[in-house]
Amino acid sequence: AQSVTQLDSQVPVFEEAPVELRCNYSSSVSVYLFWYVQYPNQGLQLLLKYLSGSTLVESINGFEAEFNKSQTSFHLRKPSVHISDTAEYFCAVSGGDDKIIFGKGTRLHILP
Amino acid sequence: DTGVSQDPRHKITKRGQNVTFRCDPISEHNRLYWYRQTLGQGPEFLTYFQNEAQLEKSRLLSDRFSAERPKGSFSTLEIQRTEQGDSAMYLCASSPGLSSGMEETQYFGPGTRLLVL
Repeated sequence: AQSVTQLDSQVPVFEEAPVELRCNYSSSVSVYLFWYVQYPNQGLQLLLKYLSGSTLVESINGFEAEFNKSQTSFHLRKPSVHISDTAEYFCAVSGGDDKIIFGKGTRLHILP
Repeated sequence: DTGVSQDPRHKITKRGQNVTFRCDPISEHNRLYWYRQTLGQGPEFLTYFQNEAQLEKSRLLSDRFSAERPKGSFSTLEIQRTEQGDSAMYLCASSPGLSSGMEETQYFGPGTRLLVL
């Protein structure tokens, strides 16, 4: 069985400051890892994913996440946040050809 | 094709009534998933289909819930005798399926928000 723990339910950060959203997972099999974002009043959008290969993956809007197998982590980072990054971020794990298990989400608040 | 679509986007019903939601996946995707998201929580898996076959059902899916994908394209999720605890966002997602040879990623629709009074 797989599970995902997002350690912070809310993260406030000042605009242009760096941010890290933490995610740890557990699984008995090889995993695919995802970050999804949900902007206010919108549906879930895939932000980035790790399937195989390079452990550092990037999104088109400046986020990156690193798959760390030894620490079973997939933390999401951005060096400088913008007000438009205000959203809820969900870390998720899948065994591959299977359902996705989501964390409870981290709400990112950008302070002016 | 612009993505996964769901209908209706919002539904208000009285306790005890039946409701049905529809999901249209991305056209070349073989797999279709249903999830439920309640306030303050991440989405929780309900069930999924490979073409028309329903391959797995969560324990969250009580006997009042039924899902179909009769021709392997669109899917419906029906809730009978709705209860207030059924109030949630119902999300549909689709993916190519590993057998397609394409990268296996799930893409989500906008959801149907259900309110049971």
